[in-house]
Amino acid sequence: AQSVTQLDSHVSVSEGTPVLLRCNYSSSYSPSLFWYVQHPNKGLQLLLKYTSAATLVKGINGFEAEFKKSETSFHLTKPSAHMSDAAEYFCVVSDRPSGSARQLTFGSGTQLTVLP
Amino acid sequence: SAVISQKPSRDICQRGTSLTIQCQVDSQVTMMFWYRQQPGQSLTLIATANQGSEATYESGFVIDKFPISRPNLTFSTLTVSNMSPEDSSIYLCSALGTSGVMETQYFGPGTRLLVL
Repeated sequence: AQSVTQLDSHVSVSEGTPVLLRCNYSSSYSPSLFWYVQHPNKGLQLLLKYTSAATLVKGINGFEAEFKKSETSFHLTKPSAHMSDAAEYFCVVSDRPSGSARQLTFGSGTQLTVLP
Repeated sequence: SAVISQKPSRDICQRGTSLTIQCQVDSQVTMMFWYRQQPGQSLTLIATANQGSEATYESGFVIDKFPISRPNLTFSTLTVSNMSPEDSSIYLCSALGTSGVMETQYFGPGTRLLVL
C-alpha cells in the first residue's frame, strides 16, 4: 500500500523569499514520486519526478525536490518565489514498477500564496 | 509528451440527467484514466479505461453510475449518470505516455460539472 501526506494545507510566502512545500510518503516498494501544480481553472502540470535516479531532482520554473529515503520525504523547494507560483501543489506517489499499470496516489494538496 | 483535451470544459446540469465527457489524446498512449476532484479536495481515481473492454473501477465507483468507453488508443468517454448535486466535481482525464525514456502521466484540463 502507498500513501502520501502533505504536511501543510496552506503556505504563504513573500515574493522573492524561499518556498518549502513538505511531503512525506509511505510505500511498500521503491516508489516513484512526483510534484504536480494546478493553477486556477487549469489542468495539472508535472513539475518534476523522481524515479530512482539522482535524489535531487530539478524541475520546471526553478523548482527542485530532494528524495530522502531515511526520512521518507520528498519536499519541494524554490529559492525565490514569484507571483506566478501561486497555485495548488500536489505531491504524488506511485509504487508500481515501470512498465506495469501505474496508479498514482495524490496528497491532499498545498495551496501556495505569494504575497507582493 | 501527450496533450490531452476534454469536452465540455464545464457544464451545469439538472438532477437526474446524464453527461458524457470526451477525452482526446494527441498521441497513442498505453493507458487512460479518469479522476474526480471534489471541491477543495485532492484527486481520486475513478477507473482505468481499457481499450476494447470494460473499464477497471476503483472501490466506491461502479459502471452503472460512471460508464466508460475507450474505442481506440487515443479517445475515451466518461458518463456521469443520473446526476445528483454530490456529483458536482472536476472530472479529469489522464493518460500514461512517454517523456524521453520515462513513463509520465499527463492530465487534461478537466471538466467542471455543477449539478443543480
